[in-house]
Amino acid sequence: DAKTTQPNSMESNEEEPVHLPCNHSTISGTDYIHWYRQLPSQGPEYVIHGLTSNVNNRMASLAIAEDRKSSTLILHRATLRDAAVYYCILRPIIQGAQKLVFGQGTRLTINP
Amino acid sequence: KAGVTQTPRYLIKTRGQQVTLSCSPISGHRSVSWYQQTPGQGLQFLFEYFSETQRNKGNFPGRFSGRQFSNSRSEMNVSTLELGDSALYLCASSHGTGMDTQYFGPGTRLTVL
Repeated sequence: DAKTTQPNSMESNEEEPVHLPCNHSTISGTDYIHWYRQLPSQGPEYVIHGLTSNVNNRMASLAIAEDRKSSTLILHRATLRDAAVYYCILRPIIQGAQKLVFGQGTRLTINP
Repeated sequence: KAGVTQTPRYLIKTRGQQVTLSCSPISGHRSVSWYQQTPGQGLQFLFEYFSETQRNKGNFPGRFSGRQFSNSRSEMNVSTLELGDSALYLCASSHGTGMDTQYFGPGTRLTVL
């Protein structure tokens, strides 16, 4: 399983943008980059995923480096509800494969 | 639609006992995966069931087993409990094809005394 590296923790202020980095230097051409987050006392929830191009959805944006060895999850205006552990995960394009390999993630603290 | 439900939410057992945890997936989902979350090891994949068959398995001892029923509901069993089995057990459901989003339940908190 390909490995990802994330900072253990980050801190930001409410209503400011947050950039969460992830390194995945051993990514293969068939790996998608997924982000999940886990709010306190809840199970993880899907945030966003991408392969090569930058992606946007209602929750966040995903910026993927041209060589795909790193990516950044962008929360455009953080709220207190965004305080969570964010996980960057590589998922291979294998038909039906549902296994997620979680690293330690980044614990994001949002200051009011 | 209703989310993934897990029962019970909390459980206290003693060493040597066995335990069964239940997971009801989102309606229409055929895949159920189980994860163990501990402070030391983080989130680790246990196994996945799809259409009543185990399709993928993590690196856990044989004391950990599971099954899936025809309605896609799944159970996980841990026999001969050890103190180190104390953890949050999470299940996730999805359609089970391609790059599906996985939807997690709230988990079952198991404490082994």
